[in-house]
This record gives sequence, C-alpha cells and structure tokens, in this order.
Amino acid sequence: DSGVTQTPKHLITATGQRVTLRCSPRSGDLSVYWYQQSLDQGLQFLIQYYNGEERAKGNILERFSAQQFPDLHSELNLSSLELGDSALYFCASSVAPGQGRFEQYFGPGTRLTVT
Amino acid sequence: DAKTTQPPSMDCAEGRAANLPCNHSTISGNEYVYWYRQIHSQGPQYIIHGLKNNETNEMASLIITEDRKSSTLILPHATLRDTAVYYCIVRVATGNTPLVFGKGTRLSVIA
Repeated sequence: DSGVTQTPKHLITATGQRVTLRCSPRSGDLSVYWYQQSLDQGLQFLIQYYNGEERAKGNILERFSAQQFPDLHSELNLSSLELGDSALYFCASSVAPGQGRFEQYFGPGTRLTVT
Repeated sequence: DAKTTQPPSMDCAEGRAANLPCNHSTISGNEYVYWYRQIHSQGPQYIIHGLKNNETNEMASLIITEDRKSSTLILPHATLRDTAVYYCIVRVATGNTPLVFGKGTRLSVIA
C-alpha cells in the first residue's frame, strides 16, 4: 500500500460526458502528479500540482483540467469525453518537506471506460 | 531529461538473479537513475535510485558504470511476484519533477 488513494476504481461513462477523478496523496506529501496510461501511448504525464499551485503541464488536453485543494487532495476533471480517453489514470505524490527525497508513490489508479 | 534504452523483454528463472540493463549514454552530471516497476496495471512502484555509486535496498541493487552511461538493476532472487514491466528513468537531482516513462522491460519470471 503506497498510501495514495484514488476514487473511484472503475468508471464507465458515455461519450460527451464529464467525470471527476479524485486523489488523496500520502500524508505530508505536497506534490501531486496525474498520469494517463492507454494501450497505445503508455504512461504519460498530464499535470503536476505543488502545494495548491500548478507546477508543470504535460500532454494534457484542453478538455481536461485539475486542481489541488487546501487539504492537498486533487481532482482531475475530464469533459466532453471521447472513446480515446478510455485509459488508466494514476495519481502519484511526492515530497514531504525536509526529507530531501523525491521518489513518487503511485495510487492504484482509476480505470475509465468511455462507451 | 536524458533518454534511456531498455530491452523490450527478458525471462528469468525463479530463484535466480534477474539483471535488467539500461543505457543512458546522454545522462548529465546532475541526473539520477531511477527504477520503477509496474505489476499488471497496478500503479508503478518505486524500486531504487542512484547517482554514481552502487546502491542497495531491500528490493534490489543498482549498479551504475563508472562513466554513468549505463546501469543494471539486480533482483537477487527473483520470484513469480517480480513479473512486471521495469522502467529505467533519468531525472535531474532536484527530483520534484514528473517522471518520463519509456516502454520499459517486461520481465517474466518463470517457475
């Protein structure tokens, strides 16, 4: 158990809909990362937040957005869903202050199926 | 971040050492080598990282060549539960950056 939690585990929805994925980082971790894993693209970085602020952006579509709340949990919002958005979505966290360690710990993922 | 090259797949007999190679010939002086693995659609799991010295923890050993252009992850006594995709990633020392995953090596441990 990495200490990172993600909900829901599975999500099935229709094209054109909007969904929200939730992530709770490990206790004390300030950074949250979102990754997408599809069969043809592998694991790809989407976006990073650090202590509530956006830190880095990867290959995130304009239809996708994220935020990190004061309690450090994060949500990834996916809208106008398309069949190609079907994938595993992972959240990871890192950096408890003062520890000088930067390895990332991943949650179990949310499997999104768009029909 | 420097690019890495790994063999797409490897087999290892259960109980034997698994040696997974990684080439990172363009690595910079301030970049670490990290290893992660992913067991069948689970979240990737951190294994080990190093700069230039060999490292060992409860999961594995990491051997980095003197010129730092390649490294080897060693699982000393592979078990069936070590069957996974192993990713070698190079990233800057500050570390609070996203991971860039390649295709990794699919290790199959065979009974």
